[in-house]
Amino acid sequence: NAGVTQTPKFQVLKTGQSMTLQCAQDMNHEYMSWYRQDPGMGLRLIHYSVGAGITDQGEVPNGYNVSRSTTEDFPLRLLSAAPSQTSVYFCASSYSQTGNTEAFFGQGTRLTVV
Amino acid sequence: AQSVTQLGSHVSVSEGALVLLRCNYSSSVPPYLFWYVQYPNQGLQLLLKYTTGATLVKGINGFEAEFKKSETSFHLTKPSAHMSDAAEYFCAVSDSGATNKLIFGTGTLLAVQP
Repeated sequence: NAGVTQTPKFQVLKTGQSMTLQCAQDMNHEYMSWYRQDPGMGLRLIHYSVGAGITDQGEVPNGYNVSRSTTEDFPLRLLSAAPSQTSVYFCASSYSQTGNTEAFFGQGTRLTVV
Repeated sequence: AQSVTQLGSHVSVSEGALVLLRCNYSSSVPPYLFWYVQYPNQGLQLLLKYTTGATLVKGINGFEAEFKKSETSFHLTKPSAHMSDAAEYFCAVSDSGATNKLIFGTGTLLAVQP
């Protein structure tokens, strides 16, 4: 049982390049989310999904796209990378949306945009 | 809008000393509160979560948190710090009760001195 798996772990992009951060979970969780972590700012929600085919924007969605074609996968796309998107990205999943259900996090992807 | 405030971005304690990490929340409804821990170069791991009706919540690794509605606080404590407790700690609240939309505090980096 791998939990939440993120790839790659590290990535360097040039300004203007595009890329996809992969996230997969093997716990059959309906609910998945993407966060970015910046020093002194904690984690902020980028996009989230409540099931296959259903996504919505979080607090900081600009510059990012998501899709959810299967329960297992929730990729995050950077369309045209900017230095402001240099951050650590975390994917999370949970089996329920309500109450105090635990969210399970991946190991993170450290992205640098030069 | 709900929010979480963590006082003290850096806390340093001696091994064996009391650990106290502060968290205050802003919520107009009963909150769903969490403490997560992030060890270096790792993802986030749940330490403990608030359960409705409880005032003292026990978590893993000897950590506890006391819920005080009158003070809108959910401070994290551990009676005796261990070197392995050195990590970053995040308090979080679920946005509108949705666990897949967590609002995080800015984090507190705990250093444990020998």
